[in-house]
Amino acid sequence: NAGVTQTPKFRVLKTGQSMTLLCAQDMNHEYMYWYRQDPGMGLRLIHYSVGEGTTAKGEVPDGYNVSRLKKQNFLLGLESAAPSQTSVYFCASSYLPDRQETQYFGPGTRLLVL
Amino acid sequence: LAKTTQPISMDSYEGQEVNITCSHNNIATNDYITWYQQFPSQGPRFIIQGYKTKVTNEVASLFIPADRKSSTLSLPRVSLSDTAVYYCLVVVTGANNLFFGTGTRLTVIP
Repeated sequence: NAGVTQTPKFRVLKTGQSMTLLCAQDMNHEYMYWYRQDPGMGLRLIHYSVGEGTTAKGEVPDGYNVSRLKKQNFLLGLESAAPSQTSVYFCASSYLPDRQETQYFGPGTRLLVL
Repeated sequence: LAKTTQPISMDSYEGQEVNITCSHNNIATNDYITWYQQFPSQGPRFIIQGYKTKVTNEVASLFIPADRKSSTLSLPRVSLSDTAVYYCLVVVTGANNLFFGTGTRLTVIP
């Protein structure tokens, strides 16, 4: 049981390049989330999904797209990377957003946009 | 959504009990108080959750007064490995996401 895994762990992009971050969970969780974490700002929600085939915007969705084609995977895409998207990206999952449930986080992907 | 306020940083010596207080004046009836811990280069990890009075698990205790406008995370006899950022969140039942503030950076000193 690997929990939540993220690929890649680290990436350097040039401005304007595109990339996809992959999140996978093996806990059969319905809900998945993408956050970004910047120094001194805590975590901010980018997009989330309440089930396979669904996505919704979070607090800071601009410049990102997501897809949830399979229940266990949640992809975060950057179509045209900008230096402002330099950050650490965390994926999380939970069974239900109920008070009894907690979110399980992956190890993070560190992205540097030059 | 209830905003939370907690100290930016705290220092403690090894072996001491550490109490981190969080204020959440606008907490609603159905909201729960949840604490996460984050080590450097790792994702946040759930520590404890409560609604009122006191909750205790193998890691920490959570004290919530009757008015629920604040809560205190208590870490007994901290060690160097407890050095981390601790986030206080107010979780709305059925909400689809969590809102993390800047957290409290706890540094345990030998």
